[in-house]
This record gives sequence, C-alpha cells and structure tokens, in this order.
Amino acid sequence: GAVVSQHPSWVICKSGTSVKIECRSLDFQATTMFWYRQFPKQSLMLMATSNEGSKATYEQGVEKDKFLINHASLTLSTLTVTSAHPEDSSFYICSAPIPWTGADTQYFGPGTRLTVL
Amino acid sequence: SQQGEEDPQALSIQEGENATMNCSYKTSINNLQWYRQNSGRGLVHLILIRSNEREKHSGRLRVTLDTSKKSSSLLITASRAADTASYFCATEQTGANNLFFGTGTRLTVIP
Repeated sequence: GAVVSQHPSWVICKSGTSVKIECRSLDFQATTMFWYRQFPKQSLMLMATSNEGSKATYEQGVEKDKFLINHASLTLSTLTVTSAHPEDSSFYICSAPIPWTGADTQYFGPGTRLTVL
Repeated sequence: SQQGEEDPQALSIQEGENATMNCSYKTSINNLQWYRQNSGRGLVHLILIRSNEREKHSGRLRVTLDTSKKSSSLLITASRAADTASYFCATEQTGANNLFFGTGTRLTVIP
C-alpha cells in the first residue's frame, strides 16, 4: 500500500553541520507535505507546509533560514537543518495527504531522530 | 508509521450534537495524543493524556483512556460547523519517543 518514507531514520551529527532529511511518498504524488518536530514526551509541532513548485509555508516561530525546505518533485520533500545545534535535537516527522480518499487523511513517515552533539 | 486505528473512518452529525471518535492501539504507551487537521492544513495538537490518566477535559473536548483495553475516545460536545475536520490519535510507545498515528476520523458537522 501507499506509504511515506523518511531517510535517514536517525542521524548523529556535530554541532555546526547541516543535516538533510528526505520525505518520500511512495505510489502516490504529493503536492503538499507537512513537516513536524517532536520533543521527548511532548506533542508534535507543525513546522511548515511544503509545497511542490513553490516556497514552503512556515509556522510562526520557525526560522526559515534554519530549516530549509525544498519540495523538488511530486514525491520528494527535503528538510535541511542548517548549522545544527544541540537544541535542534529532536524527532522530525513528515506527512502527506492521501490524494484519492476524498477526505483529509494523511500518511505519516516513520520519523527521523536527530541528535546534535 | 500508522500503528493505531480510529473508528469510525467518517462521521457526519448535526450541529449541536456530540461526536465520539475512538482510537485503538496495540502496545503499551507513555501517552496518547489527539490532533486535529483542517482541510489542506497540518496537524494541530488538541490533548495529551498520559498512561496513568483516565480522563481529561479541555473546553468542549473530553478524552478518555483505557489502558487495559488499549483504547481511547475523543468526545466533542455541542459540536459546531467549525469542528469539521479530520481527527487523529497518536501514541507514544513505552521505551520510545516516536509517535505512531492512526488513520484518522473525518468529522463533518452539518449546520
């Protein structure tokens, strides 16, 4: 069945480096994808809406230059955490609306665990 | 990952009525969370209920959790047309910080 994949599943990086996370829709096209982050024991927080062919829409308080989003194709959106710092350590998850359901249901990716040392 | 199940998949009610959505899961959890998604938008967090809690309220929302049955329910009282949205439950499994989502319930409130 249709799923959403993320790569990598987990990543450990040094402070100051940049990390790219990929979100792919499999077997369906997604003109829109959503990016979230979750701190341990807390709820998911919407970061931005990724739009194929146009700029992402960021939620209030999310730094656009810090979290670069590129929706390069109808099946791929990437989130790049630039100049990562320990406070960026979090669980990042993407989702994509299921286009054929006629309703607003989504598939969620398995998430990416980022640890910045 | 989709690990939970919500039912019903879709629900249509008249304004003023109560709406109840259910969520079942399979493993032990730290907490269970309910989210709402409006058309074309991302998820918005509604309520988080911990595994040692049985009921929680927030405005017109009431969430129950039965860990013995591995199920939760979300009740929206005195529904309004603006409550029309999809509602998702998500579980944080014991020993993990990842969230596992259900497939959602589409609620339509008819004015």
